[in-house]
Amino acid sequence: DAGVTQSPTHLIKTRGQQVTLRCSPISGHKSVSWYQQVLGQGPQFIFQYYEKEERGRGNFPDRFSARQFPNYSSELNVNALLLGDSALYLCASSFRKGMGTGTSARDTQYFGPGTRLTVL
Amino acid sequence: AQKVTQAQTEISVVEKEDVTLDCVYETRDTTYYLFWYKQPPSGELVFLIRRNSFDEQNEISGRYSWNFQKSTSSFNFTITASQVVDSAVYFCALSEAGDSGTYKYIFGTGTRLKVLA
Repeated sequence: DAGVTQSPTHLIKTRGQQVTLRCSPISGHKSVSWYQQVLGQGPQFIFQYYEKEERGRGNFPDRFSARQFPNYSSELNVNALLLGDSALYLCASSFRKGMGTGTSARDTQYFGPGTRLTVL
Repeated sequence: AQKVTQAQTEISVVEKEDVTLDCVYETRDTTYYLFWYKQPPSGELVFLIRRNSFDEQNEISGRYSWNFQKSTSSFNFTITASQVVDSAVYFCALSEAGDSGTYKYIFGTGTRLKVLA
């Protein structure tokens, strides 16, 4: 099975512009999470979506938004880009095993290759 | 507050040496999960292992082994007989349940491992 895919691989934007990043989860995975990884740091949680609903949000400004589609793919949008938004944006998908709905802390997240965004 | 500390920023070893990557975590929850991921230069985070807070058994997978000690809040990762292909950044992560049935990973800052031929 294919892993998590993300597009585009690289992006160069200028300050003030808007950007949309895309993610396709592993087949059968209904949860998608987005992370920002600044150079030299660990990934920071931005959003989590499950069954097309936002289930969690990290400490990021409202310039960041996301959505999940009926096929469980997802988009991350960032408006009014700042130089500090330059980072690797990682998408992860997970599969909820066992009983219950929603997501669980035990669900392993599988990451895509990321989109490297450079803001000039 | 939840926190993951990887105090070793960078480690260099010669091929075939053993190396241990340290991970210390902080959490107030009794149920939590710990993970290790490998990030090669390509950027993709590769899942290595998951451990829940109730299982303190050490685990071995080939040249990889993990030592989970709840008493010291540590989850260390050892690579035996390191190889050049092991060169990457390794991240330790903590997963906790949040509000509304959500959860997120808290990552450490990573340890860059360089294995020299």
